[in-house]
Amino acid sequence: DVKVTQSSRYLVKRTGEKVFLECVQDMDHENMFWYRQDPGLGLRLIYFSYDVKMKEKGDIPEGYSVSREKKERFSLILESASTNQTSMYLCASSLSGEVEAFFGQGTRLTVV
Amino acid sequence: AQRVTQPEKLLSVFKGAPVELKCNYSYSGSPELFWYVQYSRQRLQLLLRHISRESIKGFTADLNKGETSFHLKKPFAQEEDSAMYYCALRGTGFQKLVFGTGTRLLVSP
Repeated sequence: DVKVTQSSRYLVKRTGEKVFLECVQDMDHENMFWYRQDPGLGLRLIYFSYDVKMKEKGDIPEGYSVSREKKERFSLILESASTNQTSMYLCASSLSGEVEAFFGQGTRLTVV
Repeated sequence: AQRVTQPEKLLSVFKGAPVELKCNYSYSGSPELFWYVQYSRQRLQLLLRHISRESIKGFTADLNKGETSFHLKKPFAQEEDSAMYYCALRGTGFQKLVFGTGTRLLVSP
């Protein structure tokens, strides 16, 4: 069973804080993704990575950065959290060339 | 550009009624289309993909390239089908999925 694990289910942070969201997968997948999920907006891709140290911007990268130092771990960084970044964040991974993406359980981030 | 449109935010039906969740896409090449589902308090998971032409949990979806649609259908809805459904597209040569805004299906007894 593929496991994609996000380090926190719930996070509350203050405006201006630097926030790290961690994601680990155990199936040696090349591709990893960060989405945010908002009611009425669906899933929007923030960043993705198709290899270690490689990253590409998704549709809404502003205010975010990512790090992929090891194949199994993909971190999402909010450099200076703002209230409009309050959302559910979903991490996913997939094998290169494979169609199915496996998702983590999500991190609900609230910025106050 | 790749775009997925799900026009209905909420679809409410009674148990045993037929269900059709609409999905239209915009893509100039030959896309791969998927339906993902998220049950309450569970993670998002793949329901079905167009290339396999399979029926999963009684759901089917046919890719209509002329109408650029990939509607999800089930002849008799069950209460356990209540969930959030997302249509997704992957373009040729791309690794990422583009999702629609989702449709919440509510099946009442």
